[in-house]
Amino acid sequence: EAQVTQNPRYLITVTGKKLTVTCSQNMNHEYMSWYRQDPGLGLRQIYYSMNVEVTDKGDVPEGYKVSRKEKRNFPLILESPSPNQTSLYFCASSSTFSSYEQYFGPGTRLTVT
Amino acid sequence: AQSVTQLGSHVSVSEGALVLLRCNYSSSVPPYLFWYVQYPNQGLQLLLKYTTGATLVKGINGFEAEFKKSETSFHLTKPSAHMSDAAEYFCAVTIYGGSQGNLIFGKGTKLSVKP
Repeated sequence: EAQVTQNPRYLITVTGKKLTVTCSQNMNHEYMSWYRQDPGLGLRQIYYSMNVEVTDKGDVPEGYKVSRKEKRNFPLILESPSPNQTSLYFCASSSTFSSYEQYFGPGTRLTVT
Repeated sequence: AQSVTQLGSHVSVSEGALVLLRCNYSSSVPPYLFWYVQYPNQGLQLLLKYTTGATLVKGINGFEAEFKKSETSFHLTKPSAHMSDAAEYFCAVTIYGGSQGNLIFGKGTKLSVKP
């Protein structure tokens, strides 16, 4: 089944404790991105990647890191999480730069206390 | 730069009534437009999209949207609401060859369906 998977689905952590949220897709998509969803703000892009070893900042990159060492994986790293990073995070992928139809993972709900 | 405005953060309709969710966009070049639906505790699912060609596009679950360039709108409609349509709906815009290739989302409209 074609899908985007994220782990963990739920995470509660404390300020300053490094964490990684994994994202994997099995559709051989070149393009992957991370969004955060906050009430009343919709979805905002954090980082995106157009292919292996090619990443760039989205609209709200502060406090986040990403890497794209393999085509299928695009982990999101919070080196020193803070409470304002409490949010619902979505990973997405699409087949080519021209298609723009993005496939979303199920989401990761992160709480930072 | 592109932007999306969804009018109404909450819309409530009765079962069987018309659903109309409004979306206006801003783009200096021809846009690609999308509607996504998010059911509780789930990710986003594509309902329909407009890229080029016919301005009336049909999507899943009986939804459709019409691209109106003169009004910079892409409103989502469904003739008869079902209880299962209760969800949050997001309009999104991008352009071909854009510098980021990312989707710019509206803030979402939560649809409630009353029995």
